[in-house]
Amino acid sequence: DVKVTQSSRYLVKRTGEKVFLECVQDMDHENMFWYRQDPGLGLRLIYFSYDVKMKEKGDIPEGYSVSREKKERFSLILESASTNQTSMYLCASSRGLTTRFGSGTRLTVV
Amino acid sequence: AQKVTQAQTEISVVEKEDVTLDCVYETRDTTYYLFWYKQPPSGELVFLIRRNSFDEQNEISGRYSWNFQKSTSSFNFTITASQVVDSAVYFCALRFPSGGYNKLIFGAGTRLAVHP
Repeated sequence: DVKVTQSSRYLVKRTGEKVFLECVQDMDHENMFWYRQDPGLGLRLIYFSYDVKMKEKGDIPEGYSVSREKKERFSLILESASTNQTSMYLCASSRGLTTRFGSGTRLTVV
Repeated sequence: AQKVTQAQTEISVVEKEDVTLDCVYETRDTTYYLFWYKQPPSGELVFLIRRNSFDEQNEISGRYSWNFQKSTSSFNFTITASQVVDSAVYFCALRFPSGGYNKLIFGAGTRLAVHP
């Protein structure tokens, strides 16, 4: 069964910590995305990548960075976590008109 | 501006009722795609339907139906005879075929609760 796998379902981190959210896809998709989901705001795009080592800012990149060293893996990095980054983070991958999503990581920053 | 609006934040119905989820979009492009996704409590967004801007035919799939009207920039989703398993958050999304690397622009989502 093809899938997008996010390494953690729930994560609790302290303010100021460096946080890594990992995402792996097994569909050989070129494009990968990180979204943030907040109530009343839907999904907002943080960053995306269209190829290995390539990245583009989405709509809300501030406070985040990403890494894509291998085609199947796309990491979201919070350099210094803050409480306003408490949210649900969804990873996705796509090729053509098909987009598949992971189950999300609920991050709480305390 | 490119935008998707789902004005209904939450809807609560009793099982077997019909329910319509509204979606209104904004774009100046003539070619685009519209999607509906379902997000059950497990968290993963599940694809329901895709429509391109040149195909205004309504679609029916079992208890689900979609009404696409370019004249009103709407792509509404109706669930007939709702069931408890339909309880989820539903997202409408917009995408463009060229550039943007398949980025999806999402609405805020509508939380549907179906009670027994």
